[in-house]
Amino acid sequence: KQEVTQIPAALSVPEGENLVLNCSFTDSAIYNLQWFRQDPGKGLTSLLLIQSSQREQTSGRLNASLDKSSGRSTLYIAASQPGDSATYLCAVTRGSQGNLIFGKGTKLSVKP
Amino acid sequence: SQTIHQWPATLVQPVGSPLSLECTVEGTSNPNLYWYRQAAGRGLQLLFYSVGIGQISSEVPQNLSASRPQDRQFILSSKKLLLSDSGFYLCAWSGRIAKNIQYFGAGTRLSVL
Repeated sequence: KQEVTQIPAALSVPEGENLVLNCSFTDSAIYNLQWFRQDPGKGLTSLLLIQSSQREQTSGRLNASLDKSSGRSTLYIAASQPGDSATYLCAVTRGSQGNLIFGKGTKLSVKP
Repeated sequence: SQTIHQWPATLVQPVGSPLSLECTVEGTSNPNLYWYRQAAGRGLQLLFYSVGIGQISSEVPQNLSASRPQDRQFILSSKKLLLSDSGFYLCAWSGRIAKNIQYFGAGTRLSVL
């Protein structure tokens, strides 16, 4: 059974710092991996999707990497801003028809 | 463009009362529809998904049920709420081809007291 773990559970950093969020999964036979952002009391917004054949994806200040063989992904946020404060969720799927398996998320707080 | 609506945004219900949460999607046809729950200290858990009208798959045994009376309408229900039903409920939709590309509603915060 696939399990997704995110470390740390919470993170507080000063504005401008670069940071890394971690995601690990127990079954390396994934189809793709996604990083989502969730603002308090809101739904999820997809940030980056990495196919199993890819190593990384970039969008603006965000960079996500994937090491499928070791069951790990990282989300790198450069020059963090207070507006980045949110919970970041990692999710994997087994196939294009597979359901999303989520981690519990990392709650990020960027202090001005 | 496609949009997804959930209501109500917040709900406080006594134990033993019924529940009905509604989700509708606009701008797409024949979507896959999903209900998730996010409980305190736990990850996002898939409760139900539907690939068509009247077709419901349940992922976990529970006190809740789901129905899809129309193509773009998904309803989450309970006859008698339990304290453990408290949580944040999210509806999502996806296309038929790429189930893993899902779009989420704003969610409903349910507190059972």
